[in-house]
Amino acid sequence: DAGVTQSPTHLIKTRGQQVTLRCSPKSGHDTVSWYQQALGQGPQFIFQYYEEEERQRGNFPDRFSGHQFPNYSSELNVNALLLGDSALYLCASSSTPDRGRYAYTFGSGTRLTVV
Amino acid sequence: QQQVKQSPQSLIVQKGGISIINCAYENTAFDYFPWYQQFPGKGPALLIAIRPDVSEKKEGRFTISFNKSAKQFSLHIMDSQPGDSATYFCAASMGSSASKIIFGSGTRLSIRP
Repeated sequence: DAGVTQSPTHLIKTRGQQVTLRCSPKSGHDTVSWYQQALGQGPQFIFQYYEEEERQRGNFPDRFSGHQFPNYSSELNVNALLLGDSALYLCASSSTPDRGRYAYTFGSGTRLTVV
Repeated sequence: QQQVKQSPQSLIVQKGGISIINCAYENTAFDYFPWYQQFPGKGPALLIAIRPDVSEKKEGRFTISFNKSAKQFSLHIMDSQPGDSATYFCAASMGSSASKIIFGSGTRLSIRP
């Protein structure tokens, strides 16, 4: 049973560019949440998608946007990249939005480096 | 008010010893306190969790101690093993925003043989 799959694993972008990260949730899960983990820090909640809608959002600017597809997979888009956006981006899936905190499964993340 | 403060930043323990990581929170609306374990190159994985209506929860060698009045909780790893070497995060969440988990800054634990 495949867990959460994220792609790509590593990415290097130039300041000002745009990036798209992808996530396939664990089989049986329909809710996807995205977290940003800066080096040496704990993950920070970006937003959650359920039923193809953004259900909850953390304290991140509008440059961060997302999408969820009918097959429950999700994309995270970041526009106008800043050096400070360099981080590990984690996708977490769960079976329902409300139970996410009890049963998150995290992917291994996408390491984004902005130069 | 949303922060979870974690200490120490790093910890070295001899094999067979007890590893202790501490966390403190301010927001009394938090009602779920998980601990996550993260190995290099991997995402965090849920290790053990507790609700504030109990003072202690034990699962194998891992124990959470919870002090509601002091707004503090800690993770104890008994008989620490080299395979326990990882980064540990305490966290908290509240029912009103169930999906949003607030993580501490992490503790890098090294178990020496």
